Amino acid sequence: GAVVSQHPSWVICKSGTSVKIECRSLDFQATTMFWYRQFPKQSLMLMATSNEGSKATYEQGVEKDKFLINHASLTLSTLTVTSAHPEDSSFYICGSVNSYEQYFGPGTRLTVT
Amino acid sequence: AQTVTQSQPEMSVQEAETVTLSCTYDTSENNYYLFWYKQPPSRQMILVIRQEAYKQQNATENRFSVNFQKAAKSFSLKISDSQLGDTAMYFCAFMNPGGGNKLTFGTGTQLKVEL
Repeated sequence: GAVVSQHPSWVICKSGTSVKIECRSLDFQATTMFWYRQFPKQSLMLMATSNEGSKATYEQGVEKDKFLINHASLTLSTLTVTSAHPEDSSFYICGSVNSYEQYFGPGTRLTVT
Repeated sequence: AQTVTQSQPEMSVQEAETVTLSCTYDTSENNYYLFWYKQPPSRQMILVIRQEAYKQQNATENRFSVNFQKAAKSFSLKISDSQLGDTAMYFCAFMNPGGGNKLTFGTGTQLKVEL
């Protein structure tokens, strides 16, 4: 149990375009989901907390207008990178909470050209 | 704010041997959870083991066990009978349930299991 999917697994987009990443909890309901960014050989950096039915809470230094988060249901949260630039290229991971344990999606590799 | 420290950036162990990864944390909370996550080359984060702070007994999951020393704020992971598939980055993480279930991660330890 406690499976989290993420789609797409890899996306390449042109600078200036927007990209949407989906995170789904497949076998449990998650009122809270988290979005992380990870650079190579580094730890996970929390970007924002996504709560079902309410606005996301962003960590300091994360631009909320650039990284749009929508948590429309108990099983789905989306992260949209708007007007992407090469510096947004990274590995993005979502985490869903189930009974004080956080389960992670397989991640999305974003490359902005 | 909580902090988690992993002082071993890299470690290596021979197959079938035992290795211990270190983790220390700092918090003023009394009720919290500690976790070890594994991230293999696929980059999928996998929960290895969890420890509730109110439990004195150390958690164990097959070949994985922890040494939880609450007073010392230490939470080390012992991997017995190491296997090649254990090669991964290991992250220690802290969670305060009253803090919105956020995880605070350490910087990670890259473990390599060698033949």
